Amino acid sequence: DAKTTQPTSMDCAEGRAANLPCNHSTISGNEYVYWYRQIHSQGPQYIIHGLKNNETNEMASLIITEDRKSSTLILPHATLRDTAVYYCIVRSNTNAGKSTFGDGTTLTVKP
Amino acid sequence: DGGITQSPKYLFRKEGQNVTLSCEQNLNHDAMYWYRQDPGQGLRLIYYSQIVNDFQKGDIAEGYSVSREKKESFPLTVTSAQKNPTAFYLCASSYSGGPDTQYFGPGTRLTVL
Repeated sequence: DAKTTQPTSMDCAEGRAANLPCNHSTISGNEYVYWYRQIHSQGPQYIIHGLKNNETNEMASLIITEDRKSSTLILPHATLRDTAVYYCIVRSNTNAGKSTFGDGTTLTVKP
Repeated sequence: DGGITQSPKYLFRKEGQNVTLSCEQNLNHDAMYWYRQDPGQGLRLIYYSQIVNDFQKGDIAEGYSVSREKKESFPLTVTSAQKNPTAFYLCASSYSGGPDTQYFGPGTRLTVL
């Protein structure tokens, strides 16, 4: 199962875009890239997912490189409430139980 | 309200006692999951179930047991064989075992004294 690598922590100024990178160099063809975030002591919250194409929803945008070995989650206008741990995971459509959550990136949005 | 619930939010047990954590969902999801989270770390998969009466071990199943007698319910028992049971336990569900969004419950924080 593909593993992901994320920076341990990042800071972002309030109102600016937050760009969170994720490496998943061993991703296989049937694995999706998912992003979740977790605010302290709560359950993770789904943000967005994609397979090959870039995706956008009301929360964020997901940019996946052409070779699918890395991706970037973009929060276009970060607010203080976006301070959380962000997890990038890959998930197979044939064995979904094998999702691996790494340690994530702690994003701190500063005023 | 639709959602996934876990109870209780905080649980204290004495060492050597088995304890069962509740997870219920009314989202009509087929698949359910249990994760463990230790301080400052990510989630590790304990068990998952893609259909009623069937479940598979995750990465850290030793010392845990589950059952899936109903679609809505996936209780986790932390047995006395689990060496370090104190942790934050998260339950999740999704529509199927495929690449579907997992919805997480609020978690249960278990402390073994």
